[in-house]
Amino acid sequence: TQLLEQSPQFLSIQEGENLTVYCNSSSVFSSLQWYRQEPGEGPVLLVTVVTGGEVKKLKRLTFQFGDARKDSSLHITAAQTGDTGLYLCAGAVGGTSYGKLTFGQGTILTVHP
Amino acid sequence: KAGVTQTPRYLIKTRGQQVTLSCSPISGHRSVSWYQQTPGQGLQFLFEYFSETQRNKGNFPGRFSGRQFSNSRSEMNVSTLELGDSALYLCASSLNRVSGNTIYFGEGSWLTVV
Repeated sequence: TQLLEQSPQFLSIQEGENLTVYCNSSSVFSSLQWYRQEPGEGPVLLVTVVTGGEVKKLKRLTFQFGDARKDSSLHITAAQTGDTGLYLCAGAVGGTSYGKLTFGQGTILTVHP
Repeated sequence: KAGVTQTPRYLIKTRGQQVTLSCSPISGHRSVSWYQQTPGQGLQFLFEYFSETQRNKGNFPGRFSGRQFSNSRSEMNVSTLELGDSALYLCASSLNRVSGNTIYFGEGSWLTVV
């Protein structure tokens, strides 16, 4: 059974601060996806990382996949109130499990003005 | 391009009843998977369908079932509802790529069991 440990569980910061969310596992994943979810809505895909050591940037968000493909991080620079939400990491094992994701418990981010 | 569409969005059922939820994947996507989201357990995988066949199954009781039609649309059914089945049920679809398979979610169906 693959498990993803996501930390921190809660994050409360002021606008303009930087933050990092971590996602760790003892299992290897073929890919890892990050989602953001608003209350009452489905998760919205932010990025998919596939290659070990891969770094992807999406405006102020930087995503990194660990060299061994067991961990990932999401870094937000100069957070804005609009970044508030639930951030989820999810790993895919691959093989015949293309549509099966293992999710972390999520990080609830609150950015105060 | 239309996203993943789920119906109904909200529903209230009584303990012991059954419920059917529907999902239309993104056009061209043949893999459809279902997830249950609760505050205590987070997002948990229910099952995945590809080409009308269940390919993977999560650790849920047999009361949870699903199917996929030839047009890739999918339904999930929960029989003999229990209070603990109250949750957001999410459907997701993907292209079924070997590498970097990106999975897109619908807005979910909120089920409340009373």
